[in-house]
Amino acid sequence: KQEVTQIPAALSVPEGENLVLNCSFTDSAIYNLQWFRQDPGKGLTSLLLIQSSQREQTSGRLNASLDKSSGRSTLYIAASQPGDSATYLCAVNPNSGGYQKVTFGTGTKLQVIP
Amino acid sequence: DTEVTQTPKHLVMGMTNKKSLKCEQHMGHRAMYWYKQKAKKPPELMFVYSYEKLSINESVPSRFSPECPNSSLLNLHLHALQPEDSALYLCASSLRQGGNYGYTFGSGTRLTVV
Repeated sequence: KQEVTQIPAALSVPEGENLVLNCSFTDSAIYNLQWFRQDPGKGLTSLLLIQSSQREQTSGRLNASLDKSSGRSTLYIAASQPGDSATYLCAVNPNSGGYQKVTFGTGTKLQVIP
Repeated sequence: DTEVTQTPKHLVMGMTNKKSLKCEQHMGHRAMYWYKQKAKKPPELMFVYSYEKLSINESVPSRFSPECPNSSLLNLHLHALQPEDSALYLCASSLRQGGNYGYTFGSGTRLTVV
C-alpha cells in the first residue's frame, strides 16, 4: 500500500525566503505526482504535475522535482510571499493496469510572515 | 474553460433534509470524482464516474447518492445525514479515469449537518 509523507507538517518563514517542501512515497511505481495548494476551507489548486518520465517542472517561482528511485519529490518556492501561505499537498498517482486511487500526502502548512 | 464549478459553496442541513451538491466542468473530461475532506486531513475518495457510469464506490453509506446526468455534470444527493458527515466536499475531474494528465478540483462545498 502506497504511503505518502510530507515533512515538515508546518513551516513558518519570513517573507522573501526560499524554501523547500518535501514529499516522500513508499512505492516507486508511480504514473505521476501532482502538487496542490489549499487555502483554508477552499478547494485544491493544481500547481505542478510531474510525469514519471520527468525530473522536474517549473511554473513561475515554483519548481518541483521528482526522484522516483528514492521515492521523493520536492517543491521549491523562490522568494516566498505572504500570499503563498496555504497548505501544500502532494498527490501520488499509481502506475497500474487497473484503476488505483490517488494517494495524498499529509500536507505541509506554510505561513509566510510579512 | 479550465475550471470545475461547485455549488453551493456552503450548505447547512438538518438530519431529515434532502439536499444536492452540484459539480460542473466543460473541459471535456470524461472522469469525475467526489471527495470528502475533514479538517486537517487529506481528501478521501468517495465515488468515481467514468464516461457517465459509476466506476468506483468506496463503500460510501447509501445516504450519499451520486448521479452523473451527462458528461459535464455530477451531482451528489444527500439524505438523512449525520452530524459526522459535516465536511468539505470536493469534486474533481480528469481527462480519463486514472488522472494520467492530472486532476482538476473544484472549490468545494462546506457542508454542516445540524
